[in-house]
Amino acid sequence: DIQMTQSPSTLSASVGDRVTITCRASQSISSWLAWYQQKPGKAPKLLIYKASSLESGVPSRFSGSGSGTEFTLTINSLQPDDFATYYCQQYNSSPWTFGQGTKVEIK
Amino acid sequence: QVQLQESGPGLVKPSETLSLTCTVSGGSVRSGSYYWSWIRQPPGKGLEWIGYIYYSGSTNYSPSLKSRVTISVDTSKNQFSLKLSSVTAADTAVYYCAREVGATAMDYWGQGTLVTVSS
Repeated sequence: DIQMTQSPSTLSASVGDRVTITCRASQSISSWLAWYQQKPGKAPKLLIYKASSLESGVPSRFSGSGSGTEFTLTINSLQPDDFATYYCQQYNSSPWTFGQGTKVEIK
Repeated sequence: QVQLQESGPGLVKPSETLSLTCTVSGGSVRSGSYYWSWIRQPPGKGLEWIGYIYYSGSTNYSPSLKSRVTISVDTSKNQFSLKLSSVTAADTAVYYCAREVGATAMDYWGQGTLVTVSS
C-alpha cells in the first residue's frame, strides 16, 4: 500500500493567515491526489482533485500543488469557516489511502 | 443535486455481519462515469477506504478487508450495499458511502452512520 504522511498533525493559525499543509507519498503517485476538509460530525468535503484542480464551488483561497511524492494544500487568508481537519488521499494505485489528517486550530 | 444516504443497524454483535445500504438520489448508480464507494472512520481516527463497485458489478476491495467484505449494487433501487462479516470491536466506526468520479476522488458523500460492534 502507498503510505501518505501529512505534516504538521496540528496547526494553530489566526484568521487571515496563509496556511500550508504538506502531504508526502511513499512512492510516486503522479498527480493522482485529492484534498478533503472535514468538520466535526460531518462527512469529508472534496476541495482539490488531481493535485491542483479546484472542485466546483470551493473558494479560490484554497489551492493545491505538487506531483510525484510531495504535495501541498495552501489556504490563503484563513477564514473562520476553514478551521477543520484536512486529509490528503492518493488514487494512483489501489487501495486508495489517506493521510492521517491535519487539524487547523484557532490560535 | 446528488445525495447519498446510509442506512442500517447501529449496533452489531461481535462475529456477526455488518450490513449497510446507501441510497442514491439526484443521480443514477447506472451512470458509467462513477464508481460507488464505502469508507470508514473509527471514532477520533482517520479515514480508511473499504472498496468500490461499478454499476456492472465490478468491484475493488482493500486487501486488508477483502476476505470479509462484499459490496453489491441494486440498480433497480438505485442503491449499493456493504456487508462486512465476522466483525470485532475494531470495526466500530462511522461508515460513509461516496461517489467516486471514475475511480478517483470522492465528490459526494453520505452523512455517515455510526456502527458499534458490541455484545
